[in-house]
Amino acid sequence: AQTVTQSQPEMSVQEAETVTLSCTYDTSESNYYLFWYKQPPSRQMILVIRQEAYKQQNATENRFSVNFQKAAKSFSLKISDSQLGDTAMYFCAFVNAGNNRKLIWGLGTSLGVNP
Amino acid sequence: KAGVTQTPRYLIKTRGQQVTLSCSPISGHRSVSWYQQTPGQGLQFLFEYFSETQRNKGNFPGRFSGRQFSNSRSEMNVSTLELGDSALYLCASSSGLTTYEQYFGPGTRLTVT
Repeated sequence: AQTVTQSQPEMSVQEAETVTLSCTYDTSESNYYLFWYKQPPSRQMILVIRQEAYKQQNATENRFSVNFQKAAKSFSLKISDSQLGDTAMYFCAFVNAGNNRKLIWGLGTSLGVNP
Repeated sequence: KAGVTQTPRYLIKTRGQQVTLSCSPISGHRSVSWYQQTPGQGLQFLFEYFSETQRNKGNFPGRFSGRQFSNSRSEMNVSTLELGDSALYLCASSSGLTTYEQYFGPGTRLTVT
């Protein structure tokens, strides 16, 4: 079965601090794409960062970076210099390569950034 | 480019009725996917359309159906509504070719009473 596990239902961090959100996944495919999405209280789902499984280099997008460990099937998100606007639900998801765009989702981590 | 748009944003329906939700993808995107989001089940894939053809389908009953038009706009229909169909329905678009990231609309909040 293809699954995504986010083991931290809730997390909090102080403004300007760094926080890491965990994600593990399971797929039998060798080529896939991993994503972190953010869903603030407005419910708009926003793409934060993506990682191609065939690339060893970890993706970075401004204050957001990932630690991708393919053998361990781990894909954690690090948020540096946390801001109040980072308060949201964060979802980890993946899609197998090929003629499909079916995202497999984790249940999310609720992140609160405290002033 | 304009983002993904979904209409209506909110709907209240009665059990047994049917409903149609609409999604307009980002210009040039040919793939539209639909997801159901509920507190209990999280995000679940409904189906994906690419160039007017259903390319993938999730594990939902036949009451859930969709279609895609030649301009890539997509509609989702739910017939014989049940209380458990109350959810946020999200539409996502992707170029559907060589890229895999999906961009989401604001969602339609459906409440079944």
